Amino acid sequence: DGGITQSPKYLFRKEGQNVTLSCEQNLNHDAMYWYRQDPGQGLRLIYYSQIVNDFQKGDIAEGYSVSREKKESFPLTVTSAQKNPTAFYLCASRRAGTPNEKLFFGSGTQLSVL
Amino acid sequence: EDQVTQSPEALRLQEGESSSLNCSYTVSGLRGLFWYRQDPGKGPEFLFTLYSAGEEKEKERLKATLTKKESFLHITAPKPEDSATYLCAVQPAGGTSYGKLTFGQGTILTVHP
Repeated sequence: DGGITQSPKYLFRKEGQNVTLSCEQNLNHDAMYWYRQDPGQGLRLIYYSQIVNDFQKGDIAEGYSVSREKKESFPLTVTSAQKNPTAFYLCASRRAGTPNEKLFFGSGTQLSVL
Repeated sequence: EDQVTQSPEALRLQEGESSSLNCSYTVSGLRGLFWYRQDPGKGPEFLFTLYSAGEEKEKERLKATLTKKESFLHITAPKPEDSATYLCAVQPAGGTSYGKLTFGQGTILTVHP
């Protein structure tokens, strides 16, 4: 079945450490997104990419970095510059070209600080 | 700035007690309004897309409606398995907002047997 796979499910970060969250999709979607979810808050956009080798900052990109070397993959690195990284991170994708297409989401990664 | 506000923040219902969730929005041109369901520790699951005022869509016990300023998600005779967080999101029509959804904070629905 087609879908979006996020790994790991749970991740712990030590002080000063960079960590990378994986996102892989086999839906043949061009556009991919990273959202951050905090309790009681809406999903906030971190980065998005509409095509391989191109990506744009979302509303809360500081302290995060991404790459898009393959259509299927859009990893997110949470750097040591992100001072409050504890959150639920969601990867999503959709077909490009029709901006009112629905987003498909992965199952999320819960990141916590040790 | 695009904004989405959902109410109530939390809703507790008895099984069979129908109710509605609200999603109020301000956006510079609406291309689409989305409803998602999210279970604890999981990613959101798509329910509906609404495109224009007056539009309605149904799926089992859920019915979504849209006006120029808000959307309602009506739940008829809910069951405990309908317990989840329901998210609303808007897709603005502006070019610089291409592909960017703005989400509300969600309504946590609990249905007691």
